[in-house]
Order: sequence, then structure tokens, then C-alpha cells
Amino acid sequence: VQLLQSGGGLVQPGGSLRLSCAPSGFTFSAYAMSWVRQAPGKGLEWVSAISDSGGSAHYADSVKGRFTISRDNSKNTLYLQMNSLRAEDTAVYYCASHTGGNVVVTAIDYWGQGTLVTVSS
Amino acid sequence: EIVLTQSPDFQSVTPKEKVTITCRASQSIGYNLHWYQQKPDQSPKLLIKYASQPFSGVPSRFSGSGSGTDFTLTINSLEAEDAATYYCHQSSSLPLTFGGGTKVEIK
Repeated sequence: VQLLQSGGGLVQPGGSLRLSCAPSGFTFSAYAMSWVRQAPGKGLEWVSAISDSGGSAHYADSVKGRFTISRDNSKNTLYLQMNSLRAEDTAVYYCASHTGGNVVVTAIDYWGQGTLVTVSS
Repeated sequence: EIVLTQSPDFQSVTPKEKVTITCRASQSIGYNLHWYQQKPDQSPKLLIKYASQPFSGVPSRFSGSGSGTDFTLTINSLEAEDAATYYCHQSSSLPLTFGGGTKVEIK
């Protein structure tokens, strides 16, 4: 199993960025997916998750209304569209797979390599 | 929101010693508690799922126990490669949450 991430980089406050994650080695459409972030020197923070079909999406209060998670099961790709970025969104962002199709009552098992998002002027 | 409180925050341990890390949930989460290991500049790795089930390929010195609100990760006979930060995570309800982490240092 591999989760290959792309996107990220430096963006000004108020700007936008899109992260992508391309899993391989498992049937992508059968599993829920999450984005988890880690600010420099800090712990893990769950950001967003989406069910296997994409029918339900969930967000942490800290990003609700600014971030949008989506998936394209035909392209085996997970996305995180981040708008109205703030300095406090600066972090390494990880995509991660769940052990089943639902977001809750499943464990996060595999993680991507992480991508750094820096929000600064 | 379910808050996960880990203790201790930091532990300095000699090789072959036993390590015990606890995670307390602010409300009952059944067995929906998972443990991760994160080494510096690496992605987290799943060690234990559903409180006590070892993940594929995890050394047998790692074990987990507990249910409801109180959980424990045990590392028997610590090895130098186990120096890392360990996190608990609950998937019982949204928002998903993580504990604050326990850093294990090798003396």
C-alpha cells in the first residue's frame, strides 16, 4: 500500500491550495479516507474525512466552511481544497486510509508521506 | 468532542525496560481506540487497532489493552528503535480526535 501525495507549498494568507493523494495497492473505492495535519513541533490533528462512495464528508470545526474534501474513485485520487488559508493552517498534511468504508468505527491504517503547507506573507 | 488524555507526556527509558502509556477518553468509546508510532520526520504508523489488535508486521513486544474510557499501550523489552512519539486516536464518533502524544526517549 502506498499513498502518494502532491501539492502543498507556500501560500499567502487568504490564498488557496489543493492537495492530492493517489493511493495504490488497495481498492480505493472501498475505503474511507482522511486528511490529518501536524503543525510544526505539535501533535496530530484530524482535519477532514470522506466515506468510500464520497457520499458523506466531515470536517473539524477549525476548517469547516474553508476546506473541501473530495474523491474521484475513477481516478483513484483524494483531494483537499483549502481556501481562505490562515497562518494557523501551516502544517504537514497527511492523507490516510481507513480500514473500512465508513469514517467512524474504522481505524486509520496507512498514511501518506506528508506535504508541507506554509501560510505566510 | 471526545478528548483523549495521554500520560505521561515524556518518558526516558533504558533498553529492555517495560514502557506503559495510558490514554483516557472523556466518554466511553468502546474498543474504538488505536495506537500510532511516529519517529522524527516520518509519517505515523499504526501499531494497535481496536484497543488490542496488533497491526500487520508490528513486533510482538507492542500490545494494547482496555475498553470504555481507559486504555494502555505496553512496550515490553524496549529497543533503541522504539524511540518515538506515540499517539492514541479514537474513531468512535466525530470529530475524530488524537491524544496529545507521549515521547519515549532512550537513555
